[in-house]
Amino acid sequence: DIQMTQSPSTLSASVGDRVTITCRASQNINSRLAWYQQKPGKAPKVLIYKASSLESGVPSRFSGSASGTEFTLTISGLQPDDFATYYCQQCHKYPLTFGGGTKVEIK
Amino acid sequence: EAHLVESGGDLVQPGGSLRLSCAVSGFTFSDHYMDWVRQAPGKGLEWVGRTKNKDEGYATEFAASVKGRFTISRDESKNSLYLQMNSLRTEDTAVYFCARGRGGAYSDFDNWGQGTLVTVSS
Repeated sequence: DIQMTQSPSTLSASVGDRVTITCRASQNINSRLAWYQQKPGKAPKVLIYKASSLESGVPSRFSGSASGTEFTLTISGLQPDDFATYYCQQCHKYPLTFGGGTKVEIK
Repeated sequence: EAHLVESGGDLVQPGGSLRLSCAVSGFTFSDHYMDWVRQAPGKGLEWVGRTKNKDEGYATEFAASVKGRFTISRDESKNSLYLQMNSLRTEDTAVYFCARGRGGAYSDFDNWGQGTLVTVSS
């Protein structure tokens, strides 16, 4: 199985901060990676797909990048609505696997 | 606009069975891969399984943790997806989400239902 190692598990930040979350795949996934945002009691919502494509309707402060098997989600200018948990997911090979999640908390 | 609504979650005893449903609307159901994803209380997301689209013969794939116990089916006439869960274990306790594959074999999940809670306990 492809392991997705996400870091950090928790992140404390302030409104306006630039935030970076990293996900490392245990093997090549050909940039077949998505990022999701989840708020308590709600379903996840896709932010980024194919590593760097911004989902329609998602603010442009969210961006994704890839370098080999390392993937990054960046939030440029954290907003109050962005405090949530973020997950990466590889879509390359079965079983589909998620990272462990990063909870972004208010500092 | 795609809309997905799960139902069928309940309290069930270990060893029991349950069928979850996911009613979809707003898109051509047969064109899309459809998945089930679960989330145990306070834990992360875990992919459960997938049914491919009509072109792929609605073939299914499962996580090792549920293979042989869970099956996925779909009724195109009712625009509904199903998850049949047998031989349930306490570790199957979770909120179960249905999700739509964006398109093709390497799809992310671009639309999700609100989830339905399954509790396996005696």
